[in-house]
Amino acid sequence: EIVMTQSPATLSVAPGERATLSCRASQSVRSNLAWYQQKPGQAPRVLIHTASTRATGIPARFSGSGSGTEFTLTIDSLQSEDSAVYYCQQYNNWPPAWTFGQGTKVEIK
Amino acid sequence: QGQLVESGGGLVEPGGSLRLSCEVSGFSFSDHFMSWIRQAPGRGLEWVSYISNTGETIKYADSVEGRFTTSRDIPKNLLYLEMSSLRAEDTAVYFCARVSVARSLRGGLDVWGQGTTVTVSS
Repeated sequence: EIVMTQSPATLSVAPGERATLSCRASQSVRSNLAWYQQKPGQAPRVLIHTASTRATGIPARFSGSGSGTEFTLTIDSLQSEDSAVYYCQQYNNWPPAWTFGQGTKVEIK
Repeated sequence: QGQLVESGGGLVEPGGSLRLSCEVSGFSFSDHFMSWIRQAPGRGLEWVSYISNTGETIKYADSVEGRFTTSRDIPKNLLYLEMSSLRAEDTAVYFCARVSVARSLRGGLDVWGQGTTVTVSS
């Protein structure tokens, strides 16, 4: 099983500032990585797929980068509605088992 | 874009069984891989299973392998998760979700249901 490790566990950022979230895979997942945002009581929402492609309707302040084992989600000009937990997920086809990171909670200062 | 609605959750005793359903609308169900994901109370997301668009390929997380069975009824636009030998640690909200890119595993999960709650307790 590929283990996904996210850091930090919690990130506190002032409105208008940049948030940088990291995700590391225990082995290469190439670019088969997605980022999700989840707010309390809601289902997750995909933000980024294929490591760096914004999903439909996602604001340009969300961007993804990386490949292989190291990935980053950047949120520019943080807004109050960005307060949420963010998960990375690998969907590589081998081994045939998907895994999520443990999540990073983004708080607004 | 599509809509997914889960049902079938509830309270079940340890060792019991339950079947979850996910009703699909608004897109071509037969074109997309589908997945089940769960979230224990106060915890993160855990992938449970995925099934190919044809139903021929099904994979499970080690934690549910041999106890859970995923299937799909394409004419009825329904996805199922049959759960047996349930344990306390299976207590979670169960989500169904669509794989974004048709007939592939690529693109992440772009449509999610609202989830159905399963509680395993005596």
